[in-house]
Amino acid sequence: DIVMTQSPDSLAVSLGERASINCKSSQSVLYSSNNRNYLAWYQQKPGQPPKLLIYWASTRDSGVPDRFSGSGSGTDFTLTISSLQAEDVAVYYCQQYHSTPCTFGQGTKLEIK
Amino acid sequence: QVQLQESGPGLVKPSETLSLSCSVSGGSNSRHYWSWIRQPPGKGLEWIGYIHYSGGTNYNPSLKSRVTISVDTSKNQVSLKLTSVTAADTAVYYCARSGDTGSYYLFDYWGQGTLVTVSS
Repeated sequence: DIVMTQSPDSLAVSLGERASINCKSSQSVLYSSNNRNYLAWYQQKPGQPPKLLIYWASTRDSGVPDRFSGSGSGTDFTLTISSLQAEDVAVYYCQQYHSTPCTFGQGTKLEIK
Repeated sequence: QVQLQESGPGLVKPSETLSLSCSVSGGSNSRHYWSWIRQPPGKGLEWIGYIHYSGGTNYNPSLKSRVTISVDTSKNQVSLKLTSVTAADTAVYYCARSGDTGSYYLFDYWGQGTLVTVSS
């Protein structure tokens, strides 16, 4: 299985500031045949199911605010929130869907400083 | 509006079979796959397996020997059976939809989840 490792495990950022979460895969999730990175990001608020934010490493899902962006390729990826809002407090997970079984990172807890 | 709703016993005894259902409404077609994903309390996410409405399945090898996922298209229901459960199977179990974004494993709709505790 591909192991997904996120850093940091938790993060405290002031309102309006930038937050960045990293995700590293144990092997590349880039398919050379279509040049796509099979990497997604989810947001999970307390007591709620995860919500798909970003897929193909950088494509925002419908309705996701543009302050959320994804970047990276191969084995190293980043989720960036450009200006943190109070409603962004959550746990964020990266996921690879390059190989079966799909696997998730351990999660990064984002809080307000 | 797509809605998924999990249901089933909240308590299962060790060595018994966990059985859950997921009722789907509002959006299903031949593109879609239906997965079960679980999350132990305070921990991360584990994909269990998926089924296509045609009946085709794929399971996580770590659970494959104990898992069966089935679909009843007439009732718009997807079911999960997990045999020989232990305390390690205690988790919130989610059903989720994939297929609209070009992958079996991109989950765009999720149920609210149901907590299953394995205890005698």
